[in-house]
Amino acid sequence: DGGITQSPKYLFRKEGQNVTLSCEQNLNHDAMYWYRQDPGQGLRLIYYSQIVNDFQKGDIAEGYSVSREKKESFPLTVTSAQKNPTAFYLCASSIGFDSNQPQHFGDGTRLSIL
Amino acid sequence: DAKTTQPTSMDCAEGRAANLPCNHSTISGNEYVYWYRQIHSQGPQYIIHGLKNNETNEMASLIITEDRKSSTLILPHATLRDTAVYYCIVRVGGYSGGSNYKLTFGKGTLLTVNP
Repeated sequence: DGGITQSPKYLFRKEGQNVTLSCEQNLNHDAMYWYRQDPGQGLRLIYYSQIVNDFQKGDIAEGYSVSREKKESFPLTVTSAQKNPTAFYLCASSIGFDSNQPQHFGDGTRLSIL
Repeated sequence: DAKTTQPTSMDCAEGRAANLPCNHSTISGNEYVYWYRQIHSQGPQYIIHGLKNNETNEMASLIITEDRKSSTLILPHATLRDTAVYYCIVRVGGYSGGSNYKLTFGKGTLLTVNP
């Protein structure tokens, strides 16, 4: 079945450590997105990519980095510069950035600080 | 994107139809209505979307009023696994040069399906 796979499901970060969250999709979608969701709050966009080898900052990009070397993969690195990284991270993809087709989500990665 | 208003919570008996309303009185002509749901600790799940015609898929039906100012998501035979927060979103279909590419969820409706 086609879908979006995020791993790991749970991740713990030590102070000063960088961690990378994986996002893989086999939907052949051009556009991919990273959101952060805090308890009781909505979604906030971290980074997005319209097409392979391209990505743009979202509303809260500070302390995060991404790459888009392959169409199906859009990993997110949470750097030590992100001072409040504890959150639920969601990866999404859509057929095209300029399409009315919906964004589809993975099951998320929950990041906590040790 | 137009603002939406949804009830905070609803209950439904298992096996009955669940009808979730959404008001979007300021919707523009090029804005679509999207529905997602989120079960606790899982990623949001896309359900259905439409512009002005009623839509149906394997999960649900979407009924949009003729003036497009409100819509109803119908789960025809609710099960316990349909207990979730349901989000109604209105956004332009396609990139319009603004920031419509990013999804924003409001508070949504917590649907509780009871045995």
